[in-house]
Amino acid sequence: QSVLTQPPSVSAAPGQKVTISCSGSTSNIESNYVSWYQQLPGTAPKLLIYDNNKRPSGIPDRFSGSKSGTSATLGITGLQTGDEADYYCGTWDSSLSAVVFGGGTKLTVL
Amino acid sequence: QVQLVESGGGVVQPGRSLRLSCTASGFTFSNYAMDWVRQAPGEGLEWVAVMSYDGSTKYYGDSVKGRFTISRDNSKNTLYLQLNGLTAEDTAVYYCARACSTNCYIDYWGQGTLVTVSS
Repeated sequence: QSVLTQPPSVSAAPGQKVTISCSGSTSNIESNYVSWYQQLPGTAPKLLIYDNNKRPSGIPDRFSGSKSGTSATLGITGLQTGDEADYYCGTWDSSLSAVVFGGGTKLTVL
Repeated sequence: QVQLVESGGGVVQPGRSLRLSCTASGFTFSNYAMDWVRQAPGEGLEWVAVMSYDGSTKYYGDSVKGRFTISRDNSKNTLYLQLNGLTAEDTAVYYCARACSTNCYIDYWGQGTLVTVSS
């Protein structure tokens, strides 16, 4: 059972928009920055969003992040078939003194 | 460019030990915290451990506390993970990853090394 809760799967058509939620608590999401990772099939994870809403260089602005209270959200607009992947949220948990991840969300672009 | 290359994985019997290594290049290794994250087959990411840039601070996930030990040699640009008392539940791809601090996001990941615990 993951400390952070994500929906197991989401889907949308090419060109559409999708959001992925990440729910936590006061000791993790509310108190610390949230990051998001994309894992394409058979590859290592890749940083997509850091510090709640910042994009590393090379990440298109189709990807966005936000945080409110104990929840965070990843948004992806203009969906492409190449966006099909598993997406994970992560943050630090101040009570556990540990990095915590969500269980992951599989994105299907229909 | 940042490169993280893991090695040391393989098949090991339950109860035995293994040491993983991660060789870093393309950045000043001694300036960064480093993590180990694992992923069991078909499962999600599970954080294992983190060590501060100078080795003075380390934290572990509950499932490995007391069995795994993270360490680093900044003179060799290498991160290690000693795995003791292995069980089938430790079977996973182990990723080495760079972080800005012990409680900070991971910005680069290695390609991973597979550890299989089986008799």
